[in-house]
Amino acid sequence: QKEVEQDPGPLSVPEGAIVSLNCTYSNSAFQYFMWYRQYSRKGPELLMYTYSSGNKEDGRFTAQVDKSSKYISLFIRDSQPSDSATYLCAMSARTNAGKSTFGDGTTLTVKP
Amino acid sequence: DAGITQSPRYKITETGRQVTLMCHQTWSHSYMFWYRQDLGHGLRLIYYSAAADITDKGEVPDGYVVSRSKTENFPLTLESATRSQTSVYFCASRDRPSPLHFGNGTRLTVT
Repeated sequence: QKEVEQDPGPLSVPEGAIVSLNCTYSNSAFQYFMWYRQYSRKGPELLMYTYSSGNKEDGRFTAQVDKSSKYISLFIRDSQPSDSATYLCAMSARTNAGKSTFGDGTTLTVKP
Repeated sequence: DAGITQSPRYKITETGRQVTLMCHQTWSHSYMFWYRQDLGHGLRLIYYSAAADITDKGEVPDGYVVSRSKTENFPLTLESATRSQTSVYFCASRDRPSPLHFGNGTRLTVT
């Protein structure tokens, strides 16, 4: 079983919809949680970065971490066609030489 | 330009050939990483480095060699390329506790 499981998708929504992307994990040592966005033929770019449990909001994006359930989510409000991309969750532990473990990604298409 | 640069962007090579993928970062980050990305497997760590002259294996190191003589460079060498090494390769860097910053990848095809 993988340490990080991500809802596989693909996901297709109309413009303006609220999108929910989710990951679960098994390693209780994970303390840093990231969401990356990856456009076609590009490298992943950091979208959200949170430490431990709680919520973090940045514009239309909200990241939630529930360490008790080992569950993280990314919400996108008022989704736009420019949000169409693959979203990767990633996690790392404090004492793991800086290594991050990634989910397999969810591909999102926002239709105008 | 500041950031992380990978070269070449695209490479086609034959089975058995040696190939080196280059990675250069301008931030002076301590940590550097090589990942490969394949459908159905996501991003898998090949090798990483905590500092110049310090490297360690990741999840899928077989068939690859790395070196880090300078902080800013982290080349990845396929000693004898195989078709199973056809993939997109991403280099990344970070300073703890910051998250990873990625290059735009090298798309490698082994024929």
